[in-house]
Amino acid sequence: DTGVSQNPRHKITKRGQNVTFRCDPISEHNRLYWYRQTLGQGPEFLTYFQNEAQLEKSRLLSDRFSAERPKGSFSTLEIQRTEQGDSAMYLCASSLGGVDEKLFFGSGTQLSVL
Amino acid sequence: GDSVTQMEGPVTLSEEAFLTINCTYTATGYPSLFWYVQYPGEGLQLLLKATKADDKGSNKGFEATYRKETTSFHLEKGSVQVSDSAVYFCALSDGGGTYKYIFGTGTRLKVLA
Repeated sequence: DTGVSQNPRHKITKRGQNVTFRCDPISEHNRLYWYRQTLGQGPEFLTYFQNEAQLEKSRLLSDRFSAERPKGSFSTLEIQRTEQGDSAMYLCASSLGGVDEKLFFGSGTQLSVL
Repeated sequence: GDSVTQMEGPVTLSEEAFLTINCTYTATGYPSLFWYVQYPGEGLQLLLKATKADDKGSNKGFEATYRKETTSFHLEKGSVQVSDSAVYFCALSDGGGTYKYIFGTGTRLKVLA
């Protein structure tokens, strides 16, 4: 169990650029979640995968955001035409399944949009 | 929609003091309740959980009881240590089959030696 891995740890970009983040979940976990966390706030749900199927998307996830999980393994979160309001910590979590199953979080990717 | 409300921090205590961090929730179904902790420079990790009314979750000296009548899940510890300094998040899973976890805003705890 190597834990949930996220890359990069930090990303600085200029407004209008596209960015992509990667999450590698714990290998046997079939559920994968993306959250966004801003300073002084708790994680806000963005989207959730069961294997390769994206089952739910938050209203926070505008059409500039897209997430994929090909083959039900790693996942990518892409933000197109970044805005300063996108600056946040993007967290990935995975779980085995079950409504009470605990989430294992990665350390996050800190995005700064200049 | 479902939501979680936590007491605002920061909370500053002396070592060996008693800790309470309040958490209340709003949910239409029968959620499971969780406390997650985030130590400096680390990711969130599960501290304890309770899946139904009157259940008590416990771990590392921390406890929380699922109170349906008051819609609360307050976190307590009888004697805090400096190493407990962290941010604590109350959360619920909505139980409606979507498996979406909803977090509170977090409470920062600082324990002084």
